Amino acid sequence: QKEVEQDPGPLSVPEGAIVSLNCTYSNSAFQYFMWYRQYSRKGPELLMYTYSSGNKEDGRFTAQVDKSSKYISLFIRDSQPSDSATYLCAMRPDSWGKLQFGAGTQVVVTP
Amino acid sequence: DGGITQSPKYLFRKEGQNVTLSCEQNLNHDAMYWYRQDPGQGLRLIYYSQIVNDFQKGDIAEGYSVSREKKESFPLTVTSAQKNPTAFYLCASSGDRGLSNQPQHFGDGTRLSIL
Repeated sequence: QKEVEQDPGPLSVPEGAIVSLNCTYSNSAFQYFMWYRQYSRKGPELLMYTYSSGNKEDGRFTAQVDKSSKYISLFIRDSQPSDSATYLCAMRPDSWGKLQFGAGTQVVVTP
Repeated sequence: DGGITQSPKYLFRKEGQNVTLSCEQNLNHDAMYWYRQDPGQGLRLIYYSQIVNDFQKGDIAEGYSVSREKKESFPLTVTSAQKNPTAFYLCASSGDRGLSNQPQHFGDGTRLSIL
């Protein structure tokens, strides 16, 4: 079983809809949680970075962490065709540790 | 502009050949990393370096080698011992020797293929 599970999609939504993405994990030691966006043939770009449980909002993006359920989410409001990309979750424990990545979810926003 | 530069963008390897992928950063970051990305899989760590002249194996180091002679540079050599080298290779860096409160930032990758 992988430490981090992420549905690969593709997830297709109409422009303007809310995109809902999530990852589950098995290691309760994870404390730092990240979401990256990756366009085709490009490197991942950091979108959101949160510590421990709770919500964080940045513009159209909201990240949620539920450590009791070992579940993290990313919501994209008012989605645009330019949001079409693969979204990767990543996480690491409190002490210096390796980042563990999900496999990524492909999102397609149709005009 | 500060960032991470990977070159070349595309690389082809012949059988039995070693190839070197370049990674340069001007972010003044201490820690640098090499990942491999295959379709349908998460990024897998090949090697990492927290400080100049020191580096550690990641999860899939076999068939790869690295050096860290300068803070801004962390080249990766894919040796002939790596039997399945076709993949997208990503270099990343982070500040403060890679301590957990610093996120990693990525370059735009090198796509390696077998001829």
